[in-house]
Amino acid sequence: SQTIHQWPATLVQPVGSPLSLECTVEGTSNPNLYWYRQAAGRGLQLLFYSVGIGQISSEVPQNLSASRPQDRQFILSSKKLLLSDSGFYLCAWSVVSGGEQYFGPGTRLTVT
Amino acid sequence: SQQGEEDPQALSIQEGENATMNCSYKTSINNLQWYRQNSGRGLVHLILIRSNEREKHSGRLRVTLDTSKKSSSLLITASRAADTASYFCATDEANSKLTFGKGITLSVRP
Repeated sequence: SQTIHQWPATLVQPVGSPLSLECTVEGTSNPNLYWYRQAAGRGLQLLFYSVGIGQISSEVPQNLSASRPQDRQFILSSKKLLLSDSGFYLCAWSVVSGGEQYFGPGTRLTVT
Repeated sequence: SQQGEEDPQALSIQEGENATMNCSYKTSINNLQWYRQNSGRGLVHLILIRSNEREKHSGRLRVTLDTSKKSSSLLITASRAADTASYFCATDEANSKLTFGKGITLSVRP
């Protein structure tokens, strides 16, 4: 069966510090991968998605970036965090574009 | 941009009652999906209905889709306290991604 892992579960970082969130999927090959951010009490904002290694599409221009160094690994990064980067970050995967998505447990990021 | 808009924003019902949640969208879709999110957790996929389908069932869940009105409804029958969660609709517009609504907060009182 397929599983998706995200870490860390929670993170408190000062403004201006770097960020690296990791997501890995097990039990499937060539998944579509997604990074979302969810502000408190709000819906999901798609940040990045990837249909293959090295293929990253950015949805929202900001100080975040994403990389997919391996087939089942998706990394969200920032060189310098802003207060507005605080939120709940969710990674998800799907077999096909537009199909069911399967979410990881999320990372709660607080920028202080 | 937001495609799906759920209604109501919050719903509180008694255990055993039915819960009906609505979603409206603006553009043509390939499919519409409903997800549940328990507080502080990731989303869980509930059901997918394709644009050529009108109704779909899964256990206590019933989803309808009216493409002429660009709307969908999610019915949870005989609700339980464990159904307390946020519910999101998401639409596939055939551009490699889903667009999620802002969600409905459902509270089921024991």
